[in-house]
Amino acid sequence: AQSVAQPEDQVNVAEGNPLTVKCTYSVSGNPYLFWYVQYPNRGLQFLLKYITGDNLVKGSYGFEAEFNKSQTSFHLKKPSALVSDSALYFCGYAGNNRKLIWGLGTSLAVNP
Amino acid sequence: NAGVTQTPKFQVLKTGQSMTLQCAQDMNHNSMYWYRQDPGMGLRLIYYSASEGTTDKGEVPNGYNVSRLNKREFSLRLESAAPSQTSVYFCASTVNRGRLGTDTQYFGPGTRLTVL
Repeated sequence: AQSVAQPEDQVNVAEGNPLTVKCTYSVSGNPYLFWYVQYPNRGLQFLLKYITGDNLVKGSYGFEAEFNKSQTSFHLKKPSALVSDSALYFCGYAGNNRKLIWGLGTSLAVNP
Repeated sequence: NAGVTQTPKFQVLKTGQSMTLQCAQDMNHNSMYWYRQDPGMGLRLIYYSASEGTTDKGEVPNGYNVSRLNKREFSLRLESAAPSQTSVYFCASTVNRGRLGTDTQYFGPGTRLTVL
């Protein structure tokens, strides 16, 4: 079955340190992967997506993600975390059957 | 340009009552979606409309109906609300120029629904 997994419910990082939010996928066919962020009491906002091309995708707010086919991963990264990056992050996949599959989300807490 | 708007923002229902959640977008998008978000369950697709005049079931359609009223509006109806439908509901839209889901989704602010 096609799925997207976010293995960590919560990630804690100190301000100024690099951050990684993990996502792995199990899909057939071409993986169309994306990351969204949700700030408290808000709807989701698009960060970045991988459709094809360069494995390193750059997105909004200084975030980037690396598509790794051999490890079936699409981890979200940022070189230097900000307290304002604290939010809920969702990885997702656009399935072949026109269904959209989302991970369960990872709560990122950046400590001052 | 308001983006995606949802009404109401909050609603409390009693079991068995009905209500309609409204969603509208002013971006001339073709596709619209309804999701529910529950703690520990992530985001689950209820229904979607790939284009005006079409609707399809998502992952958790039971207990819901939808109407794509026109290109701008996509409503979600609970005919007989149940406590299990207590959730935060999000509407989203995309231009959908190609494969569904590959275009950026724009989300509304959500409706917090409590069913007693």
